[in-house]
Amino acid sequence: EIVLTQSPGTLSLSPGERATLSCRASQSVTNKYLAWYQQKPGQAPRLLIYGASNRATGIPDRFSGSGSGTDFTLTINRLEPEDFAVYYCQQSGTSPSFTFGPGTTVDIK
Amino acid sequence: EVQLLESGGGLVQSGGSLRLSCAASGFTFSNYAMSWVRQAPGKGLEWVSTISGYGHSTYYADSVRGRFTISRDNSKNTLCLQMSSLRADDTAVYYCAKEGREEAFDYWGQGTQVTVSS
Repeated sequence: EIVLTQSPGTLSLSPGERATLSCRASQSVTNKYLAWYQQKPGQAPRLLIYGASNRATGIPDRFSGSGSGTDFTLTINRLEPEDFAVYYCQQSGTSPSFTFGPGTTVDIK
Repeated sequence: EVQLLESGGGLVQSGGSLRLSCAASGFTFSNYAMSWVRQAPGKGLEWVSTISGYGHSTYYADSVRGRFTISRDNSKNTLCLQMSSLRADDTAVYYCAKEGREEAFDYWGQGTQVTVSS
């Protein structure tokens, strides 16, 4: 089973700053099968990025994904107040098994 | 508009059973694999189970295999999760999720709470 590690655990930033979130896999992940989600308190997760770098429908272009192999990054440019949330990466390269990372909390500094 | 609406959650004693349902609309249900993902209180997301579009293939996390059964009724656009031998660590919000491109979960329901009391 592929284990995903996310860092940092918490990122404290101010609106307008850039957030850089890391997701590292214990084994190489097929590029197409790495996704990022945003979750706010009391809400379901929302898909941001699929296939490591493709924005999902309706996602603003300040969100971008990159990476390959075992190292992936979610970048949020110019943080907006609504971007403060928990972010999870997820892989399905070893389909039919899916695993999620433990999450990174982006909170207001 | 894609909509997923879970139901069936509640409070159950350890060792008991519960059946969750997810009503889907806004897309051709049989064309897509569907999954259940859960989230224990204050914890992260955990994949539980997936079923292929026509229901021929099912997959389970090790933590639920042999206790949970996923199924679907494409004539009613409904996804189900039959849970038995429930344990305290099954306590969580259970989400149904549609599988989209590159096997990402592109739409999620609002979740249904399952609480297992010991």
